[in-house]
Amino acid sequence: QSVLTQPPSVSAAPGQKVTISCSGSSSNIGNDFVSWYQQLPGTAPKLLIYENNKRPSGIPDRFSGSKSGTSATLGITGLQTGDEADYYCGTWDSSLSANYVFGTGTKVTVL
Amino acid sequence: EVQLVESGGGLVQPGGSLKLSCAASGFTFSGSTMHWVRQASGKGLEWLGRIRTKANSYATVYAASVKGRFTISRDDSKNTAYLQMNSLKTEDTAVYYCTTHNWGIGGPWGQGTLVTVSS
Repeated sequence: QSVLTQPPSVSAAPGQKVTISCSGSSSNIGNDFVSWYQQLPGTAPKLLIYENNKRPSGIPDRFSGSKSGTSATLGITGLQTGDEADYYCGTWDSSLSANYVFGTGTKVTVL
Repeated sequence: EVQLVESGGGLVQPGGSLKLSCAASGFTFSGSTMHWVRQASGKGLEWLGRIRTKANSYATVYAASVKGRFTISRDDSKNTAYLQMNSLKTEDTAVYYCTTHNWGIGGPWGQGTLVTVSS
């Protein structure tokens, strides 16, 4: 039902890199900044990236964000077991009465 | 320390009402737009709505799924935001979070409060 599409899951071994895509349209990603959120098991979501590629204080530079056209990408390098979580993208959608929308979510598994 | 703490969740019958609170501390609450988000068990995040600041006339906007049933308000003197939920349905069962897009303070989220709608 979400207007932002993410892969259901990605996985990699410790120390490797994973990327998570977030595909939208001209009314959302193509028109506004994208944020990324990490939700560790059993906890509240946490802001990882805002305004496409900026990291809040305390977020390690292993996490990076980028945007091109109507898609955005979250990258995680030097994967750690503590990175196992669900990840969501989010942005505003101008076609939905100025509603904020989240992506479908991606489960990251560290093999 | 920047903190958001939700409260007020619980068990309510279908058709009933519940009012959630979100108490803020550690930042300038009055200058921050506040959002409510929910998550049903095993599901993704669903944005419910937001309330802007006094400078922006406390303007609210809601997701279609809750418009007309849910109302967001705030009391800046108490550093608290509220989510009034009426005509509750079983599909409203979820953990409810408050958050702010105040990126300068890390866009914090509360720990969530569970709302269960069941007879």
